[in-house]
Amino acid sequence: AQKITQTQPGMFVQEKEAVTLDCTYDTSDQSYGLFWYKQPSSGEMIFLIYQGSYDEQNATEGRYSLNFQKARKSANLVISASQLGDSAMYFCAMREIFYNQGGKLIFGQGTELSVKP
Amino acid sequence: DADVTQTPRNRITKTGKRIMLECSQTKGHDRMYWYRQDPGLGLRLIYYSFDVKDINKGEISDGYSVSRQAQAKFSLSLESAIPNQTALYFCATSDSRGNRASNYGYTFGSGTRLTVV
Repeated sequence: AQKITQTQPGMFVQEKEAVTLDCTYDTSDQSYGLFWYKQPSSGEMIFLIYQGSYDEQNATEGRYSLNFQKARKSANLVISASQLGDSAMYFCAMREIFYNQGGKLIFGQGTELSVKP
Repeated sequence: DADVTQTPRNRITKTGKRIMLECSQTKGHDRMYWYRQDPGLGLRLIYYSFDVKDINKGEISDGYSVSRQAQAKFSLSLESAIPNQTALYFCATSDSRGNRASNYGYTFGSGTRLTVV
């Protein structure tokens, strides 16, 4: 069975510093996708970044980058130059490939990030 | 208007009552999902539907039922609500043709915060 593990329930980072949120996954599929979502206190789920299992380069989206280490089955999120608005819950998720794309998303437990001024 | 609309946004109900959470979407997506979020557990899949005639149990379906009334509508019912069903519930949709431009096809509703007393 597929599984996502986030081992950091909560983290603190100083404003303007970089922070890494850990995510490990377990799957027997060769083809899969990894996502990171941000959930601010208002509750909505905001898509941040995506990495496909066959993508040769690590994904980047502005201040977000995904450190993808396939052999170690890890997909850590790196946020550079943290801002106060980055304070939120962050979820790592994996897409089960089913009929091409768009299968179930499986989520980790989440990491609550607090950015200190 | 939101692409994925959940109603109600907040609901307090009593133990033993039947309650329905509704989800409608204008994305034209074929796949719809219901998740619940609990602190420390992330989002867990309750039910999912890959088309109108296809309904599948997720990780935690006990105590819940669903109805896919149309491609755009997917309702979640709690037949006899109990306090441990107090949670934040999300409806999500996905497109089997998802690509980067569409955040790889997943769209989440704003969530329904359900409290069972």
